[in-house]
This record gives sequence, structure tokens and C-alpha cells, in this order.
Amino acid sequence: AQKVTQAQTEISVVEKEDVTLDCVYETRDTTYYLFWYKQPPSGELVFLIRRNSFDEQNEISGRYSWNFQKSTSSFNFTITASQVVDSAVYFCALSEAWSGYSTLTFGKGTMLLVSP
Amino acid sequence: DTGVSQNPRHKITKRGQNVTFRCDPISEHNRLYWYRQTLGQGPEFLTYFQNEAQLEKSRLLSDRFSAERPKGSFSTLEIQRTEQGDSAMYLCASSLGKGSGEQYFGPGTRLTVT
Repeated sequence: AQKVTQAQTEISVVEKEDVTLDCVYETRDTTYYLFWYKQPPSGELVFLIRRNSFDEQNEISGRYSWNFQKSTSSFNFTITASQVVDSAVYFCALSEAWSGYSTLTFGKGTMLLVSP
Repeated sequence: DTGVSQNPRHKITKRGQNVTFRCDPISEHNRLYWYRQTLGQGPEFLTYFQNEAQLEKSRLLSDRFSAERPKGSFSTLEIQRTEQGDSAMYLCASSLGKGSGEQYFGPGTRLTVT
């Protein structure tokens, strides 16, 4: 079974629309970390956020916000007023205590296309 | 801080040849990771080092793959007797501390086996 599921393969929006990228994870650990990374067309993965399992506070950074809900094992990512430069593949990832947090398990990614 | 660098950026090789990739992590980072990414998939973990010690290897890392980090700084990933299925992007990442920190990725080496 996939540990990190990003059910949306591709999302297309028009600039200035809000968009939410879904991430559902599966783990037996009580302590774990969740991440979001952005992979623009250039290919280099860019770190966006890290959240530990004990901190369910939502976080906002500029146009980005993250909604972590342990009850539904979800860590969703919202971009407000999307821009063309947001076009990229976005990955959700999980790091678990049993592995000493040594590995990131990634979802398959969601490709976001923002058109002008 | 120059970030994680990888060389070469692209490599085309014929099936059966050996290839070696290099990764230079962020200078103060003690952990170094290798991942493989194929088209339309997320990166998959291959192996990681804490300083010079290789602490974990994925089942994806067959006997034809070997990685080293001899002085706890740069790392090399060698693939022997390459196969077409080895064609992928090979990503290196580094992090600071005991592992819960975020990993910073390099630009990757794209391998094409013909």
C-alpha cells in the first residue's frame, strides 16, 4: 500500500485562482514528519515546509498555507491567488521515526499548471 | 552556501558500461542521501550516509550499485553493467543533524542507457 497518496495527478487553473493539493499518508509511527517539495520544470526539488506529527497548527507563508489533520491523515497544501510561476510538480513526503527519519517516502506528485 | 551540486548533469551510456556520479553536499551537512526518480514518479530512496558511514540501503539498490562517501564530504554512486532500466534521474540530497531536518536536493544527474 502506498504510504503517501497524492490522488490528483494533474490540476489546471487560471492565474489568480486558489488551488488545493491533497496529500493522504499512512504510518504506524506516532512520531513522524511531513514535507512538501516543489519541482519546477528545471528539475531541482525545492523544500517548502516540514511539519511534525505533534504540531497540528495550520501554517501560512505568504500565498501558501498548509492544513494538517491527523484525524484524516491528511496534509493538504493550498496556494492562494495562483501565479504562472507556481506551475510545477508538487510532492508530499513522509519521514518516520522507525527509520530514524533517514528516508523520505514521496507521493507520486501533482502537476500544477497555471495559465495566464 | 552553494547548495548541493551533482556532476555530471547528464550521462548517456551504452548498456553494459559502468558509470559514476558525484555529489557534493552542503558543506556542514553530515547526512547525504541518494534517490532515483523515473518519469511521472516521486523520488525513491536508494541509500544514505551519516558522515562516512553508509547506514541504510534500499532493496532498489542491487548488487550493481555501490555508493561511497570516503571522507564524509562528497559521495559517489557507481552503477556497473548498466541496463536500460537504470535510465532515470539520480538525485542527491543532504541534511544537517540526526535526520528529522529537511533534506536539500541537488539538480540531479539524468542517466540514459541506450
